[in-house]
Amino acid sequence: DGGITQSPKYLFRKEGQNVTLSCEQNLNHDAMYWYRQDPGQGLRLIYYSQIVNDFQKGDIAEGYSVSREKKESFPLTVTSAQKNPTAFYLCASSTRQGYEQYFGPGTRLTVT
Amino acid sequence: DQQVKQNSPSLSVQEGRISILNCDYTNSMFDYFLWYKKYPAEGPTFLISISSIKDKNEDGRFTVFLNKSAKHLSLHIVPSQPGDSAVYFCAASARVGSSNTGKLIFGQGTTLQVKP
Repeated sequence: DGGITQSPKYLFRKEGQNVTLSCEQNLNHDAMYWYRQDPGQGLRLIYYSQIVNDFQKGDIAEGYSVSREKKESFPLTVTSAQKNPTAFYLCASSTRQGYEQYFGPGTRLTVT
Repeated sequence: DQQVKQNSPSLSVQEGRISILNCDYTNSMFDYFLWYKKYPAEGPTFLISISSIKDKNEDGRFTVFLNKSAKHLSLHIVPSQPGDSAVYFCAASARVGSSNTGKLIFGQGTTLQVKP
């Protein structure tokens, strides 16, 4: 059945290491998004892509990078330049003209 | 600069009663509003939405009201059930020109607890 998958559910890394979070969708959606959620805060947009091979920075892109080589995949790399990487990361997708975004289950990243 | 605000971090209601969750926004360019429900350690799920050309949208027990002059929207849940206990986020979207940018701006969330 269709949906968005994120892996792994929990991820642990040492400070100074880059880490890549996976996001795959089989909804045939053109647009994909990465958000970050911190305790007591709403979701903040990191990067988004409305079409393959194109992406834009969101509100908090510093220290992150993405790629969009395939329609169904939108991996997020958390680099060592991200000062506070420990957070809950959510991937979403939507049709290009639609407002509703559909979310994956999230990845909890802990950096120590 | 918080463009979408949910000023109540938490709300507790009795089962069977009405739950009212509120959301305020500052950007008059927002033309579509959504409510999402989120359980801990899970992704948000879409609940209900409303276009800025409407003032009310209803779906079963859920109704969203939009007051554009006050830049305020609310989500009513009637009757409330224990399974409704979750964090509720409102979100807003703005068009740039004639295309949907796809960007959603989220509020901080309100934790709803429905007591049996």
